[in-house]
Amino acid sequence: EAGVVQSPRYKIIEKKQPVAFWCNPISGHNTLYWYLQNLGQGPELLIRYENEEAVDDSQLPKDRFSAERLKGVDSTLKIQPAELGDSAVYLCASSPGIAGGPSYNEQFFGPGTRLTVL
Amino acid sequence: AQSVSQHNHHVILSEAASLELGCNYSYGGTVNLFWYVQYPGQHLQLLLKYFSGDPLVKGIKGFEAEFIKSKFSFNLRKPSVQWSDTAEYFCAVTRGRGSTLGRLYFGRGTQLTVWP
Repeated sequence: EAGVVQSPRYKIIEKKQPVAFWCNPISGHNTLYWYLQNLGQGPELLIRYENEEAVDDSQLPKDRFSAERLKGVDSTLKIQPAELGDSAVYLCASSPGIAGGPSYNEQFFGPGTRLTVL
Repeated sequence: AQSVSQHNHHVILSEAASLELGCNYSYGGTVNLFWYVQYPGQHLQLLLKYFSGDPLVKGIKGFEAEFIKSKFSFNLRKPSVQWSDTAEYFCAVTRGRGSTLGRLYFGRGTQLTVWP
């Protein structure tokens, strides 16, 4: 079974430039998550989708960050404009079912995109 | 503040030594508990999880963890570590209900280095 796919794996941009990350979850997984992981810290949730609906986006900085999950499969996370403090690893994860549902089990993580803002 | 605390940031052991990594959380009510591991150059993967039932949970590669509700703890143990256990270990919690249902709250991680 293929895992969660993310691209690009690495991205270097200058501040004030836009950047986008792409995630393809495990086939059949209804729930998709975007996490931010700063150096030396654990991941923190940015947004959670159940199918195409964003059900938990309270920690997404909406002034510069946006996300979409069209058709409830792939997802894109965008930053515009990027700031120096956005340098981090952006993780995508997926899980079967929905949280609290009978098939909710564990979150499967992708390899992440390491963003460096200069 | 609600949080997940991992008390050891870096643990260094020799092969065959016993391991215990501490994890405490500060959320009330029903919680689900996880340990994730990240081997060098690899992505996060689940080591073990606790949802309900027997508080002593066994995971992959000989790891186990014990949920002690009265102490808000979920410590990870392994009786004899191997060089291949060198990795970063994350404790994580999800809450059983509410608007943040399904959100994983992570500790900051513990880097384990095992010397051969």
